[in-house]
Amino acid sequence: GAGVSQSPSNKVTEKGKDVELRCDPISGHTALYWYRQSLGQGLEFLIYFQGNSAPDKSGLPSDRFSAERTGGSVSTLTIQRTQQEDSAVYLCASSTQNTGELFFGEGSRLTVL
Amino acid sequence: GESVGLHLPTLSVQEGDNSIINCAYSNSASDYFIWYKQESGKGPQFIIDIRSNMDKRQGQRVTVLLNKTVKHLSLQIAATQPGDSAVYFCAENKAAGNKLTFGGGTRVLVKP
Repeated sequence: GAGVSQSPSNKVTEKGKDVELRCDPISGHTALYWYRQSLGQGLEFLIYFQGNSAPDKSGLPSDRFSAERTGGSVSTLTIQRTQQEDSAVYLCASSTQNTGELFFGEGSRLTVL
Repeated sequence: GESVGLHLPTLSVQEGDNSIINCAYSNSASDYFIWYKQESGKGPQFIIDIRSNMDKRQGQRVTVLLNKTVKHLSLQIAATQPGDSAVYFCAENKAAGNKLTFGGGTRVLVKP
């Protein structure tokens, strides 16, 4: 597609359930990022994929969070046993190897009841 | 650690005035800087970038200034318009292709 696509755009779940958030990066972009943004706040780095290198997972807040990137393209962010504090907008971004400019998706808004 | 914004500072600007948004960065090895604009309910969008071998770069109505001595970055918006109301983030990158680290963000409110 023309831009970064994220799904679902909105997800409401109950505490304790698992959720999966999907990101389709721009075709040909080798780098993919996940960020979390709580209401009215800044961007919290979660995880970074670059080509075939091992991902930088240094921002994942707990072991309930994990992410995969299959075939160097689509990525899935999984949150297990969701908690209310996980409620936020999860933003995905991609970029090419040769530039630091990130192209962001519209985000997936997660609400944990 | 990562730069994580807590409560966003707000800059209130009269329509037509110039806006200046400031950002301090911590990594002296960073060589690439970007400003992003985030409108309500949307993902951040690229505004302008600058490499560390420059101290000024101009775009359409925007200018980015880089002071490496004090590790300070600023974004100037000329003749601020209502459509400029958004949250603005600076970001730094040690080298192209490396992880981008975001600053805490500044909310700009344009008063008519």
